[in-house]
Amino acid sequence: GDSVTQMEGPVTLSEEAFLTINCTYTATGYPSLFWYVQYPGEGLQLLLKATKADDKGSNKGFEATYRKETTSFHLEKGSVQVSDSAVYFCALSDKGGGADGLTFGKGTHLIIQP
Amino acid sequence: EAGVAQSPRYKIIEKRQSVAFWCNPISGHATLYWYQQILGQGPKLLIQFQNNGVVDDSQLPKDRFSAERLKGVDSTLKIQPAKLEDSAVYLCASSLQFTDTEAFFGQGTRLTVV
Repeated sequence: GDSVTQMEGPVTLSEEAFLTINCTYTATGYPSLFWYVQYPGEGLQLLLKATKADDKGSNKGFEATYRKETTSFHLEKGSVQVSDSAVYFCALSDKGGGADGLTFGKGTHLIIQP
Repeated sequence: EAGVAQSPRYKIIEKRQSVAFWCNPISGHATLYWYQQILGQGPKLLIQFQNNGVVDDSQLPKDRFSAERLKGVDSTLKIQPAKLEDSAVYLCASSLQFTDTEAFFGQGTRLTVV
């Protein structure tokens, strides 16, 4: 079945550091890929998505590129802020670009220190 | 626009007791999802409704879990009887329709079974 593997946390960085959170997936078809973020005390929010190979999703300074050849969707940001501290979930759906039947990774807790 | 509302926020029960969670999706959203998030893991889809019909309940433990969305608006998830391993956060999400639209998540209900 489908699965998502992401780097374990917590990941602790200093403000303005470069961020990479690795995500790889296993799926039988051509899934859509997502990053969700959960800020403290809030619900999950969609951060960005990509629906086909070589697509780049971007939002709030974060980027991720759909790499079919390496089955990866790594999250990057050039300069993190304290406000980026949250739990980040990589996810896939093999049913389209929406939320139908999402499969999530375990989450990566990101801590940004001032 | 009001978000996805869930109640209660927290619940502690003894094993073998029953419990119910309530979710009110964003107005006009046809699709409603219930996810289970065990500590340290990503959310797992339990059941998906399209209006008042079930689209996917393949991962719902039907011997003890039940869910309904009778009028195609709000939904209730019930566990009877609860087991220790049911301790988790139960997330409700909704989307406008089940393909190619973003899902919006509630803050969740944290259940502790003792």
